[in-house]
Amino acid sequence: EDQVTQSPEALRLQEGESSSLNCSYTVSGLRGLFWYRQDPGKGPEFLFTLYSAGEEKEKERLKATLTKKESFLHITAPKPEDSATYLCAVRSPGGLIFGQGTTLQVKP
Amino acid sequence: DAGVIQSPRHEVTEMGQEVTLRCKPISGHNSLFWYRQTMMRGLELLIYFNNNVPIDDSGMPEDRFSAKMPNASFSTLKIQPSEPRDSAVYFCASSPGLREQETQYFGPGTRLLVL
Repeated sequence: EDQVTQSPEALRLQEGESSSLNCSYTVSGLRGLFWYRQDPGKGPEFLFTLYSAGEEKEKERLKATLTKKESFLHITAPKPEDSATYLCAVRSPGGLIFGQGTTLQVKP
Repeated sequence: DAGVIQSPRHEVTEMGQEVTLRCKPISGHNSLFWYRQTMMRGLELLIYFNNNVPIDDSGMPEDRFSAKMPNASFSTLKIQPSEPRDSAVYFCASSPGLREQETQYFGPGTRLLVL
């Protein structure tokens, strides 16, 4: 059964303090790994798609990487506006299987 | 671009009542997905359509749940009768198609509370 596990559940950082979020996955065949950002009271907002081990993608202070068993979302010099829940998902036939998310709080 | 539109944004109802949630996908998108989000179970896929045809409804929790897509620009998720354990945020998402690289874009969600 396809499964996605994210860690940590919650992360508190000071502004400028870089860190990484982890997403471990178990799938019969990877058809894509997705990162979304979700703000309170809103729907998930797409960030990245990764397909093969070694692939990396960047957007502003965020960088996503992929290995055969996990993905990392690196946050460099975060700002308070980066505070949100970050969701990782793998594609099953058709839909997405999500992890429970990592709630990030960045304090000024 | 209007994005995925959902209505209502909030719904409060009493146990036993019928609830209908509505979704308008992004124009030109051929695939539509319904998800449910709770604290305990996170985001779960309920059902998805391609070209207005239901493809997989294995995530629908019970026969009390039903979904339709009468045309390319409208879908409904109905719960009848509703129960308190149905309280959750229901999201609709759409994508251009079902190919692996196609991104799903989510609506703002409907927050449902069943008393």
